[in-house]
Amino acid sequence: DTGVSQDPRHKITKRGQNVTFRCDPISEHNRLYWYRQTLGQGPEFLTYFQNEAQLEKSRLLSDRFSAERPKGSFSTLEIQRTEQGDSAMYLCASSLERTSGGSTGELFFGEGSRLTVL
Amino acid sequence: AQKVTQAQTEISVVEKEDVTLDCVYETRDTTYYLFWYKQPPSGELVFLIRRNSFDEQNEISGRYSWNFQKSTSSFNFTITASQVVDSAVYFCALSEAVRGSTLGRLYFGRGTQLTVWP
Repeated sequence: DTGVSQDPRHKITKRGQNVTFRCDPISEHNRLYWYRQTLGQGPEFLTYFQNEAQLEKSRLLSDRFSAERPKGSFSTLEIQRTEQGDSAMYLCASSLERTSGGSTGELFFGEGSRLTVL
Repeated sequence: AQKVTQAQTEISVVEKEDVTLDCVYETRDTTYYLFWYKQPPSGELVFLIRRNSFDEQNEISGRYSWNFQKSTSSFNFTITASQVVDSAVYFCALSEAVRGSTLGRLYFGRGTQLTVWP
């Protein structure tokens, strides 16, 4: 399967614990995005990378959240000292962005990592 | 600030009916991109279409058609002769242009749950 893969698919944790999610994008894609989605809502932007550079972070991304893409390939999203409000589906997406134009703008999404904080 | 409004939370139709999903957006940018994504029960978001702000041509792809009107800041999506497999949540999204032409973050609406009954 050459799509975007996320791991784990489900994570149940106790409040105060740290969790880490991993995203493997489509191999030739230079852009990688993290979104969060709660029930009945659209995805909310968290952050995105172009290669290994983190280009933008949402104000939603508190100090407890950190994302990395160290070699411009896979990415991790860590949540420290989890709170019940962090319970959500965490979505990763990737795309190929050509600065010279010609990009379709299509984001390819993974199936998401569902976090439940008890 | 960018904002996407999908006023229809849920729509139910019977198979073979036509259905239109509304999307209204707000942006101060002159260059922007509009999208529609489908999220079936399996959960993975699927790209349907991207339109550029400077291209107001309507588009048809099989049973799907999109009506982009800058004058009313709307980007509506019509499914003709709906089928049960069209049942999903549909999201409209907006992206600003960064550095002139590349995509920035996507702002999603809250989505419209479409149910097509046999």
